[in-house]
Amino acid sequence: NAGVMQNPRHLVRRRGQEARLRCSPMKGHSHVYWYRQLPEEGLKFMVYLQKENIIDESGMPKERFSAEFPKEGPSILRIQQVVRGDSAAYFCASSPEGLGTQYFGPGTRLLVL
Amino acid sequence: RKEVEQDPGPFNVPEGATVAFNCTYSNSASQSFFWYRQDCRKEPKLLMSVYSSGNEDGRFTAQLNRASQYISLLIRDSKLSDSATYLCVVNSGSSASKIIFGSGTRLSIRP
Repeated sequence: NAGVMQNPRHLVRRRGQEARLRCSPMKGHSHVYWYRQLPEEGLKFMVYLQKENIIDESGMPKERFSAEFPKEGPSILRIQQVVRGDSAAYFCASSPEGLGTQYFGPGTRLLVL
Repeated sequence: RKEVEQDPGPFNVPEGATVAFNCTYSNSASQSFFWYRQDCRKEPKLLMSVYSSGNEDGRFTAQLNRASQYISLLIRDSKLSDSATYLCVVNSGSSASKIIFGSGTRLSIRP
């Protein structure tokens, strides 16, 4: 049973470019969460989605950031016009039921030059 | 005051020692609690849930003290492979944004 998958594992972008991060939840999980982690800091909640629905996006910056979880395919976290401060590790987690125990993917490390 | 606070450490202990660390939380309405471990540059992995009556899983014991609003993790007979950062997670409500991760306590086990 494959775990949560994320790709790419590493992403380098120049300021002003777009970053697209993908997350495929564990089989049978329909709830996805995105977190951001800065070095030496804890995970900060960004957004919680179910298939085709954004349930809670209160942790996501209002501008430049968006997320989706379509009926088919992975969940996407999209960052437009990236800035250096967006450099971080972005983790995705999934759970079989809402707000259940979360299982994390390996993360995407975004570096903005 | 942070919603979830942990001593960042590092705790540096010899192999075979017993080590314990706490995590305090500010919201008395918090409902569920977890310990995750995170290895350097890896994802968090669930170590154990924390139940009101306390629970044990092998060398690991987790306890909850609601009156004082903290949870603890005790590791007995520590192994080199226990070296990691231990994250405390507190669910303070009925929304995903209320699942709060502590910044972690770094543990280093020396031979």
